[in-house]
Amino acid sequence: QKEVEQNSGPLSVPEGAIASLNCTYSDRGSQSFFWYRQYSGKSPELIMFIYSNGDKEDGRFTAQLNKASQYVSLLIRDSQPSDSATYLCAVRYGGSQGNLIFGKGTKLSVKP
Amino acid sequence: GAGVSQSPSNKVTEKGKDVELRCDPISGHTALYWYRQSLGQGLEFLIYFQGNSAPDKSGLPSDRFSAERTGGSVSTLTIQRTQQEDSAVYLCASSPGGGREQYFGPGTRLTVT
Repeated sequence: QKEVEQNSGPLSVPEGAIASLNCTYSDRGSQSFFWYRQYSGKSPELIMFIYSNGDKEDGRFTAQLNKASQYVSLLIRDSQPSDSATYLCAVRYGGSQGNLIFGKGTKLSVKP
Repeated sequence: GAGVSQSPSNKVTEKGKDVELRCDPISGHTALYWYRQSLGQGLEFLIYFQGNSAPDKSGLPSDRFSAERTGGSVSTLTIQRTQQEDSAVYLCASSPGGGREQYFGPGTRLTVT
């Protein structure tokens, strides 16, 4: 069973803090990893994707991938109330023809 | 450039009626996906089109659901004999290629009364 696991939250952090969102996956052959943000009542919006082990930074966002431990994380520096949303992790599994498996998401709340 | 567009944005239908939902992907994207999201739930994969290959229909919940993609671009998701449990937001996404980053449309909110 191919699974992508996320803590449902809510994860509450104060404004200005670092928010750390984690995601684990079950297939070692997984190739590509994606983070989406979904505001309530809106569709998912791509934040970042990462293919290789290590860190990838884009502005206040850093994606971290550790294939040996089968986890991927998203760090949000200097969190803002506007970052409050549900964050979805998605994984392309090895051998997949192109489907991504989505986690159920972590709800983040940034308190002013 | 233009993103993924979907129509209608909202659809209210009576139980037993058929509905068609439309998706216009980003120009040049070869892959197109349909998902369903019920209130407060995660994304449920429905169907995936990649180029001229046979679609992956493994997520379609019943034979009342079907989809087609004409000319490698626009896609239509059809639900026949709608049931109340079909009420959800139907999301379309397109991608430059299979397994790559997906870009979502705004969704169609379907309500079956």
